[in-house]
Amino acid sequence: DTEVTQTPKHLVMGMTNKKSLKCEQHMGHRAMYWYKQKAKKPPELMFVYSYEKLSINESVPSRFSPECPNSSLLNLHLHALQPEDSALYLCASSQDQPGNTEAFFGQGTRLTVV
Amino acid sequence: DAKTTQPPSMDCAEGRAANLPCNHSTISGNEYVYWYRQIHSQGPQYIIHGLKNNETNEMASLIITEDRKSSTLILPHATLRDTAVYYCIVTKKGAQKLVFGQGTRLTINP
Repeated sequence: DTEVTQTPKHLVMGMTNKKSLKCEQHMGHRAMYWYKQKAKKPPELMFVYSYEKLSINESVPSRFSPECPNSSLLNLHLHALQPEDSALYLCASSQDQPGNTEAFFGQGTRLTVV
Repeated sequence: DAKTTQPPSMDCAEGRAANLPCNHSTISGNEYVYWYRQIHSQGPQYIIHGLKNNETNEMASLIITEDRKSSTLILPHATLRDTAVYYCIVTKKGAQKLVFGQGTRLTINP
Protein backbone atom coordinates (compact mmCIF):
# COMPACT_ATOMS: atom_id res chain seq x y z
CA ASP A 1 0.00 0.00 0.00
CA THR A 2 1.75 3.17 -1.20
CA GLU A 3 -1.17 5.51 -0.73
CA VAL A 4 -1.71 8.64 1.24
CA THR A 5 -5.46 9.08 1.69
CA GLN A 6 -6.99 12.48 2.30
CA THR A 7 -10.56 13.17 3.30
CA PRO A 8 -12.71 14.90 2.38
CA LYS A 9 -11.85 15.51 -1.28
CA HIS A 10 -13.85 18.74 -1.34
CA LEU A 11 -14.94 21.01 1.50
CA VAL A 12 -16.94 24.22 1.55
CA MET A 13 -17.01 26.06 4.85
CA GLY A 14 -18.13 29.40 6.20
CA MET A 15 -15.80 31.80 7.92
CA THR A 16 -17.26 30.97 11.34
CA ASN A 17 -17.15 27.18 10.90
CA LYS A 18 -14.78 24.69 12.46
CA LYS A 19 -13.76 21.78 10.27
CA SER A 20 -10.94 19.24 10.04
CA LEU A 21 -8.96 17.72 7.20
CA LYS A 22 -7.75 14.17 7.64
CA CYS A 23 -4.73 12.37 6.20
CA GLU A 24 -3.85 8.70 6.62
CA GLN A 25 -0.97 6.48 5.51
CA HIS A 26 -0.13 2.87 6.28
CA MET A 27 3.40 2.72 4.89
CA GLY A 28 5.06 3.01 8.29
CA HIS A 29 6.33 6.47 7.42
CA ARG A 30 7.47 8.59 10.36
CA ALA A 31 7.42 12.01 8.70
CA MET A 32 4.21 13.72 7.58
CA TYR A 33 3.61 17.09 5.98
CA TRP A 34 0.88 19.60 5.19
CA TYR A 35 1.17 21.78 2.10
CA LYS A 36 -1.10 24.51 0.75
CA GLN A 37 -1.40 25.09 -2.99
CA LYS A 38 -3.10 28.02 -4.68
CA ALA A 39 -4.12 27.80 -8.34
CA LYS A 40 -1.19 27.76 -10.79
CA LYS A 41 1.34 28.03 -7.94
CA PRO A 42 3.70 25.42 -6.46
CA PRO A 43 2.82 23.71 -3.17
CA GLU A 44 3.90 25.71 -0.09
CA LEU A 45 5.02 23.87 3.02
CA MET A 46 2.93 24.55 6.13
CA PHE A 47 3.87 21.96 8.78
CA VAL A 48 6.21 19.01 9.24
CA TYR A 49 5.73 16.23 11.79
CA SER A 50 8.62 13.93 12.56
CA TYR A 51 7.98 10.90 14.75
CA GLU A 52 4.62 12.40 15.74
CA LYS A 53 6.16 15.64 16.98
CA LEU A 54 5.75 18.98 15.24
CA SER A 55 9.19 19.86 13.91
CA ILE A 56 8.48 22.69 11.47
CA ASN A 57 5.77 25.37 11.44
CA GLU A 58 6.32 27.72 8.51
CA SER A 59 4.80 30.70 10.35
CA VAL A 60 1.30 29.48 9.60
CA PRO A 61 -1.56 31.51 11.16
CA SER A 62 -3.08 29.97 14.28
CA ARG A 63 -6.43 29.46 12.54
CA PHE A 64 -4.70 26.35 11.12
CA SER A 65 -3.96 23.82 13.84
CA PRO A 66 -2.21 20.54 13.01
CA GLU A 67 -2.46 17.38 15.04
CA CYS A 68 -0.75 14.01 14.77
CA PRO A 69 -2.71 11.53 16.95
CA ASN A 70 -0.55 8.56 15.91
CA SER A 71 2.08 7.60 13.35
CA SER A 72 -0.52 6.89 10.64
CA LEU A 73 -2.79 9.91 11.02
CA LEU A 74 -2.41 13.63 10.47
CA ASN A 75 -5.19 16.15 10.95
CA LEU A 76 -5.48 19.82 10.10
CA HIS A 77 -8.06 21.65 12.20
CA LEU A 78 -9.53 24.77 10.64
CA HIS A 79 -11.23 27.61 12.47
CA ALA A 80 -12.26 31.11 11.48
CA LEU A 81 -10.74 30.88 8.03
CA GLN A 82 -10.74 33.67 5.47
CA PRO A 83 -11.75 33.45 1.80
CA GLU A 84 -8.07 33.77 0.83
CA ASP A 85 -7.44 30.45 2.61
CA SER A 86 -9.32 28.71 -0.20
CA ALA A 87 -6.81 26.35 -1.79
CA LEU A 88 -5.82 22.73 -2.36
CA TYR A 89 -4.43 21.27 0.87
CA LEU A 90 -1.99 18.45 0.30
CA CYS A 91 -0.73 15.90 2.78
CA ALA A 92 2.49 13.96 2.24
CA SER A 93 4.54 11.36 4.05
CA SER A 94 8.05 9.98 3.84
CA GLN A 95 9.96 7.22 5.58
CA ASP A 96 11.83 9.82 7.55
CA GLN A 97 13.10 13.13 6.22
CA PRO A 98 12.37 13.96 2.53
CA GLY A 99 16.04 14.42 1.80
CA ASN A 100 16.60 10.76 2.55
CA THR A 101 13.74 9.21 0.69
CA GLU A 102 10.91 10.05 -1.68
CA ALA A 103 7.78 11.72 -0.38
CA PHE A 104 4.32 10.36 -1.20
CA PHE A 105 1.48 12.82 -1.65
CA GLY A 106 -2.26 12.46 -1.28
CA GLN A 107 -4.73 13.78 -3.85
CA GLY A 108 -5.52 16.76 -1.71
CA THR A 109 -8.58 18.41 -0.20
CA ARG A 110 -9.96 21.29 -2.23
CA LEU A 111 -11.15 23.84 0.33
CA THR A 112 -13.46 26.74 -0.43
CA VAL A 113 -14.10 29.33 2.28
CA VAL A 114 -17.26 31.36 1.75
CA ASP B 1 18.96 24.55 -0.10
CA ALA B 2 20.27 25.61 -3.49
CA LYS B 3 17.94 27.58 -5.76
CA THR B 4 16.78 25.98 -9.00
CA THR B 5 15.82 27.60 -12.31
CA GLN B 6 13.52 25.89 -14.79
CA PRO B 7 11.84 27.12 -17.98
CA PRO B 8 8.20 27.98 -17.22
CA SER B 9 6.81 25.88 -20.05
CA MET B 10 7.78 23.37 -22.74
CA ASP B 11 6.05 21.44 -25.48
CA CYS B 12 6.90 18.00 -26.82
CA ALA B 13 5.35 15.73 -29.43
CA GLU B 14 3.86 12.45 -28.32
CA GLY B 15 6.30 9.56 -28.77
CA ARG B 16 9.36 11.80 -28.73
CA ALA B 17 11.81 12.21 -25.85
CA ALA B 18 11.03 15.10 -23.52
CA ASN B 19 14.15 16.73 -22.08
CA LEU B 20 13.49 19.03 -19.13
CA PRO B 21 16.43 21.18 -17.99
CA CYS B 22 17.13 22.46 -14.50
CA ASN B 23 19.85 24.88 -13.44
CA HIS B 24 21.20 24.62 -9.89
CA SER B 25 24.51 26.46 -10.10
CA THR B 26 24.82 26.98 -6.32
CA ILE B 27 24.37 23.31 -5.43
CA SER B 28 26.64 22.07 -2.64
CA GLY B 29 28.39 18.72 -2.42
CA ASN B 30 25.86 17.09 -0.10
CA GLU B 31 22.73 18.18 -1.96
CA TYR B 32 20.66 15.81 -4.05
CA VAL B 33 18.63 16.63 -7.16
CA TYR B 34 15.02 15.41 -6.96
CA TRP B 35 12.33 15.52 -9.62
CA TYR B 36 8.61 15.43 -8.92
CA ARG B 37 5.67 16.00 -11.22
CA GLN B 38 2.12 17.10 -10.64
CA ILE B 39 -0.59 16.09 -13.04
CA HIS B 40 -3.60 18.40 -13.05
CA SER B 41 -5.80 18.04 -9.94
CA GLN B 42 -3.53 15.42 -8.38
CA GLY B 43 -0.85 15.48 -5.68
CA PRO B 44 2.82 15.63 -6.70
CA GLN B 45 4.46 12.34 -7.63
CA TYR B 46 8.10 11.41 -7.07
CA ILE B 47 9.98 10.60 -10.29
CA ILE B 48 13.69 10.17 -9.60
CA HIS B 49 16.64 11.58 -7.69
CA GLY B 50 20.42 11.59 -7.91
CA LEU B 51 23.62 12.96 -6.40
CA LYS B 52 26.41 12.74 -8.98
CA ASN B 53 25.83 9.82 -11.27
CA ASN B 54 23.19 9.53 -13.93
CA GLU B 55 20.15 7.59 -12.80
CA THR B 56 17.44 5.67 -14.62
CA ASN B 57 14.23 4.06 -13.47
CA GLU B 58 11.02 2.87 -15.10
CA MET B 59 9.71 6.44 -15.37
CA ALA B 60 12.67 8.54 -16.48
CA SER B 61 16.40 9.17 -16.69
CA LEU B 62 18.28 11.87 -14.82
CA ILE B 63 21.46 13.29 -16.32
CA ILE B 64 23.57 15.44 -13.97
CA THR B 65 26.48 17.40 -15.43
CA GLU B 66 29.95 16.68 -14.14
CA ASP B 67 30.12 20.02 -12.29
CA ARG B 68 26.62 19.30 -10.90
CA LYS B 69 25.43 22.79 -11.78
CA SER B 70 22.65 21.57 -14.00
CA SER B 71 20.61 18.47 -14.75
CA THR B 72 18.17 17.15 -17.33
CA LEU B 73 15.18 14.92 -16.76
CA ILE B 74 14.47 12.73 -19.77
CA LEU B 75 11.13 11.08 -20.46
CA PRO B 76 12.19 8.73 -23.30
CA HIS B 77 8.85 8.24 -25.09
CA ALA B 78 6.45 10.91 -23.92
CA THR B 79 2.73 10.15 -23.84
CA LEU B 80 -0.26 12.45 -23.37
CA ARG B 81 -0.40 11.29 -19.74
CA ASP B 82 3.01 12.90 -19.14
CA THR B 83 1.43 16.36 -19.45
CA ALA B 84 2.12 17.86 -16.03
CA VAL B 85 4.13 20.43 -14.07
CA TYR B 86 7.63 19.08 -13.42
CA TYR B 87 9.53 20.29 -10.35
CA CYS B 88 13.29 20.10 -9.91
CA ILE B 89 14.24 20.30 -6.22
CA VAL B 90 17.67 20.42 -4.65
CA THR B 91 17.83 19.33 -1.04
CA LYS B 92 20.30 18.00 1.51
CA LYS B 93 20.18 14.43 2.70
CA GLY B 94 18.28 14.47 5.96
CA ALA B 95 16.56 17.77 5.21
CA GLN B 96 13.19 18.02 6.88
CA LYS B 97 11.73 20.17 4.14
CA LEU B 98 10.80 19.61 0.53
CA VAL B 99 10.50 23.07 -1.02
CA PHE B 100 8.97 23.42 -4.48
CA GLY B 101 10.03 26.04 -7.03
CA GLN B 102 7.89 27.24 -9.93
CA GLY B 103 8.47 24.15 -12.08
CA THR B 104 8.08 23.57 -15.82
CA ARG B 105 4.63 23.05 -17.34
CA LEU B 106 5.20 20.30 -19.92
CA THR B 107 2.55 19.80 -22.58
CA ILE B 108 2.66 16.67 -24.71
CA ASN B 109 0.96 17.25 -28.04
CA PRO B 110 -0.63 14.49 -30.17
